[in-house]
Amino acid sequence: DGGITQSPKYLFRKEGQNVTLSCEQNLNHDAMYWYRQDPGQGLRLIYYSQIVNDFQKGDIAEGYSVSREKKESFPLTVTSAQKNPTAFYLCASTLAGAYGYTFGSGTRLTVV
Amino acid sequence: GDSVTQMEGPVTLSEEAFLTINCTYTATGYPSLFWYVQYPGEGLQLLLKATKADDKGSNKGFEATYRKETTSFHLEKGSVQVSDSAVYFCALSAMEYGNKLVFGAGTILRVKS
Repeated sequence: DGGITQSPKYLFRKEGQNVTLSCEQNLNHDAMYWYRQDPGQGLRLIYYSQIVNDFQKGDIAEGYSVSREKKESFPLTVTSAQKNPTAFYLCASTLAGAYGYTFGSGTRLTVV
Repeated sequence: GDSVTQMEGPVTLSEEAFLTINCTYTATGYPSLFWYVQYPGEGLQLLLKATKADDKGSNKGFEATYRKETTSFHLEKGSVQVSDSAVYFCALSAMEYGNKLVFGAGTILRVKS
């Protein structure tokens, strides 16, 4: 079955450490997105990519980085510059926006 | 920029009650509109969508109609069940903005038996 796989489901980060969240899709979608969700709040866009080897900053890109070397993969790195990284991170993809977006099951990142 | 406003929750209903969750949007173009549902600890699932004015999206007993004149996309269900308890997000996307999804803040629905 086609879908989006995010890993790991839970991730713990020490202060000053970089961590990378994985997002893989086998839907042949061109566009991929990373969102951050904080308790009781909506989703905020971190980065997005509409084509391989190209990506754009979203509304809250500071302290994050991404790459898009393959169509199927869009990893997100949470750097030490992100001062408040504890949140639920969701990856999504779409073939074309009007058809809807498919979401992964999320990664919950906690700073310890 | 584009934005979505939805009613604050939590909304608490008894089983078989009628549900309405209001959603209004601001957009300069002609966005597609969506309702997503999120169950505890999970990602988002597409519930229904509408791509142009007067379209009605429907799924699992939920309905929403794209009203351009009132810039609204209210979610309704005639008879809710306990299993409908979740967080509901209204969202829009527009080609003019790279098809990015813009979300409302989400509405928690709690259904009591």
